[in-house]
Amino acid sequence: DVVMTQSPLSLPVTLGQPASISCRSSQSLVHSDGNTYLNWFQQRPGQSPRRLIYKVSNRDSGVPDRFSGSGSGTDFTLRISRVEAEDVGVYYCMQGAHWPLTFGGGTKVEIK
Amino acid sequence: EVQLVESGGGLLQPGGSLRLSCEASGFTFSIYAMSWVRQTPGKGLEWVSSTSDSGGSTYYADSVKGRFTVSRDNSKNTLYLQMNSLRVEDTALYYCAKGRWLRDIDYWGQGTLVTVSS
Repeated sequence: DVVMTQSPLSLPVTLGQPASISCRSSQSLVHSDGNTYLNWFQQRPGQSPRRLIYKVSNRDSGVPDRFSGSGSGTDFTLRISRVEAEDVGVYYCMQGAHWPLTFGGGTKVEIK
Repeated sequence: EVQLVESGGGLLQPGGSLRLSCEASGFTFSIYAMSWVRQTPGKGLEWVSSTSDSGGSTYYADSVKGRFTVSRDNSKNTLYLQMNSLRVEDTALYYCAKGRWLRDIDYWGQGTLVTVSS
């Protein structure tokens, strides 16, 4: 199985400051069809996960442009350009290049 | 608006069976892959099973293979998860999820809680 490793585990951030979350996979997430299947999800307290980013860098509809995704191969990053109070929650990466689908352990974003 | 509403969770003893349902609305159910994902405080998010748009292809995590069966009724816009031989470690919040393609997840339901305990 592809192991997804996120860091840091916890990320205290000052409002208005940037934040960055790393996700590394144990195998390349480049599929034979040429696409790289790496998603990012946000889970606010008490809510279901919500997808923010698909295929590394594509923002879902309605997702603020302060969220961006980048990376390639086995190394990926989610960036929040200026953290707002509503961004508090746990962020997960997920790979969809190989069965079984696997998730990172999560990064908890909190306000300092 | 995409809506996924799970039901069927409950408390039961090890070895028992349960069927979860997920009623979908707000999109053309029959053309999208669907999945089940579970979440526990200790193990985070764990993919359980997926099915293709027609239901002709199904996929399972090793931890549930042979015990769980995913199915769908496209005429009723409903996804199912038949869970047999339940174990304490199957205790989790079970989410129904939609994907734009197989191996994808874009929308999640609110989840239904399954508790297996003696």
